[in-house]
Amino acid sequence: AQSVTQLGSHVSVSEGALVLLRCNYSSSVPPYLFWYVQYPNQGLQLLLKYTSAATLVKGINGFEAEFKKSETSFHLTKPSAHMSDAAEYFCAVSEQAGTALIFGKGTTLSVSS
Amino acid sequence: NAGVTQTPKFQVLKTGQSMTLQCAQDMNHNSMYWYRQDPGMGLRLIYYSASEGTTDKGEVPNGYNVSRLNKREFSLRLESAAPSQTSVYFCASHRDSYEQYFGPGTRLTVT
Repeated sequence: AQSVTQLGSHVSVSEGALVLLRCNYSSSVPPYLFWYVQYPNQGLQLLLKYTSAATLVKGINGFEAEFKKSETSFHLTKPSAHMSDAAEYFCAVSEQAGTALIFGKGTTLSVSS
Repeated sequence: NAGVTQTPKFQVLKTGQSMTLQCAQDMNHNSMYWYRQDPGMGLRLIYYSASEGTTDKGEVPNGYNVSRLNKREFSLRLESAAPSQTSVYFCASHRDSYEQYFGPGTRLTVT
């Protein structure tokens, strides 16, 4: 069965610092992996996705994630945090295109000035 | 192109009352989904519809029913609301692409 684990329910960084949000997955087949962002009182917006092409995936707003099969990880990074990055971030997995997503429990990112 | 729309945005119910959450998409997507979001739990799948005329249970279907009215619309019904159903409900859709597109959510409080 698929599952997603996001390490750290809350991450705090200073503006300009590196952002690292961790995601590990379990899947019996090569997975499709996603990162979504949710700003307060809004729906979910896709940041980036991995669909078995390049292992380093670039997304919107300067975020990127690297698929590491040996570590079953898909960590999200951004070199320099901005105040506007404060939000909740969700990692999700599916084993087939066009099927339901399994979500992690989310990581809240706080950015201080 | 409005994407995925949901009504209402907010709702307060008393225990035992019923209501229907509406969802519509204008992207000609085949698959539609209902999730609930609770603090510290992420999003959990309630029901989904892979195509018009079909529906299937997800992880947490108890207390809910769904209707795929046509290709555009997928409604979620609470027949007898309970405080445990206080949550934020999201509808999502996709076609053959990988990612899902989400609506803005419905915040439901059951007292």
